[in-house]
Amino acid sequence: NAGVMQNPRHLVRRRGQEARLRCSPMKGHSHVYWYRQLPEEGLKFMVYLQKENIIDESGMPKERFSAEFPKEGPSILRIQQVVRGDSAAYFCASSPRAYESGGYTFGSGTRLTVV
Amino acid sequence: AQRVTQPEKLLSVFKGAPVELKCNYSYSGSPELFWYVQYSRQRLQLLLRHISRESIKGFTADLNKGETSFHLKKPFAQEEDSAMYYCALSGGTSYGKLTFGQGTILTVHP
Repeated sequence: NAGVMQNPRHLVRRRGQEARLRCSPMKGHSHVYWYRQLPEEGLKFMVYLQKENIIDESGMPKERFSAEFPKEGPSILRIQQVVRGDSAAYFCASSPRAYESGGYTFGSGTRLTVV
Repeated sequence: AQRVTQPEKLLSVFKGAPVELKCNYSYSGSPELFWYVQYSRQRLQLLLRHISRESIKGFTADLNKGETSFHLKKPFAQEEDSAMYYCALSGGTSYGKLTFGQGTILTVHP
């Protein structure tokens, strides 16, 4: 089991472009969580998804950000028209059940740099 | 609202010295508290959780509800303990959504 796979590891985008971050959960895990880590800050919850459903998107910025977890394939975090303030590390975690008491498995993260 | 505070951004100790990484939380209900660790070039991984009351790699943490703290302790630090440590809280949802502290970088000198 390769664990939670995120790609790309590093992503550079110019202001105004779109960024697509992918997360493949561990085998057998149908619950995915996205967290963002801005420079000098801790990880902040963005969104929680189950297969084909967004359960909690309370941490997502209201505009330009969207997430999906289709029936087949990885979960995608999409950021449209990126701005410099979107530069951060984006982490994905997965779990086999809805409540894992915080014991998720995290991916290595995608570092987004907006130039 | 729930909040986790790690007051020390950086902590340096010498090998063999005791180490304590501080964590304070704010939450009105009964929280679950965790410590996560990120070693250099590795992914974030769960170190320990308060409900299991276990000791991992010599580290322990006791939940003190009176002081709303969950400090991480180790009596004799090792160089391989050098890493970023995050305290996290789960509460108020049915799916373990985590609120993280800002993290403490621990450096253990030889």
